[in-house]
Amino acid sequence: QKEVEQNSGPLSVPEGAIASLNCTYSDRVSQSFFWYRQYSGKSPELIMSIYSNGDKEDGRFTAQLNKASQYVSLLIRDSQPSDSATYLCAGYTGTASKLTFGTGTRLQVTL
Amino acid sequence: DAGVIQSPRHEVTEMGQEVTLRCKPISGHNSLFWYRQTMMRGLELLIYFNNNVPIDDSGMPEDRFSAKMPNASFSTLKIQPSEPRDSAVYFCASGEAGPSEKLFFGSGTQLSVL
Repeated sequence: QKEVEQNSGPLSVPEGAIASLNCTYSDRVSQSFFWYRQYSGKSPELIMSIYSNGDKEDGRFTAQLNKASQYVSLLIRDSQPSDSATYLCAGYTGTASKLTFGTGTRLQVTL
Repeated sequence: DAGVIQSPRHEVTEMGQEVTLRCKPISGHNSLFWYRQTMMRGLELLIYFNNNVPIDDSGMPEDRFSAKMPNASFSTLKIQPSEPRDSAVYFCASGEAGPSEKLFFGSGTQLSVL
C-alpha cells in the first residue's frame, strides 16, 4: 500500500457546487496532514493543514480528518473555475520530518 | 521575503552531461527538501536537510544524484551523468522543521535530457 493515496481524477463539478477530494493513508503516516493546490505549470502551494480528528474550516475550504478510518478529505464550497487545479494530499512519514505526497487529484470546475 | 528561489527555471542538456540545480531557501527556515515531479510518479521526495545536514536521502534514485547544503542559504542537486529518464520538474522546498511543518516551494526547474 502506498503511504498516501488519492484518486487521480479528473473530478468534474459545476460552478457553485461542492467539490469533495479524498485521500487515504497508511499506518506509516503520522497525524499531520496538508492539502496543497498546484495549478498547471506552477509549484504546489499550501492551502490547508489539519492535525486533529474532525473538521477545520477556512473560508470556502473545509479539511476533514478521520484517524479511525485513515482518511483525510478536502471540501470546496461554491466551487469556482479558478479552483480548477490538481490537489495534493500530504502527510508525514516515519520518525523524522519526511513529507510524503499523494499523486494528486485533478479538479475541473465547469461553467 | 522573496520566497524559495530556484535556478535555472529551464535546463536542456544532452545525455551524459552534468546538471546542477540550485536553491536558496527562505531565510530562517531550517529544513530544505528536494522533490522530483513527473506525470507517472507524481511528487517524489529525493532528499531533505535539517540544519544543513542530510537527514534522509533514501529517495535519491542512484549514485548519479548528489545533493549538498554548504550553508543555510544555499543547496545544490547534481546529476552526473544525466540520462533522458531524469527529465522532470525538480522542486526545492523549505520550512521550519517539526511535525506541523508547512513547506514553501520554489518555482521549480524543468529539466529535459535529450
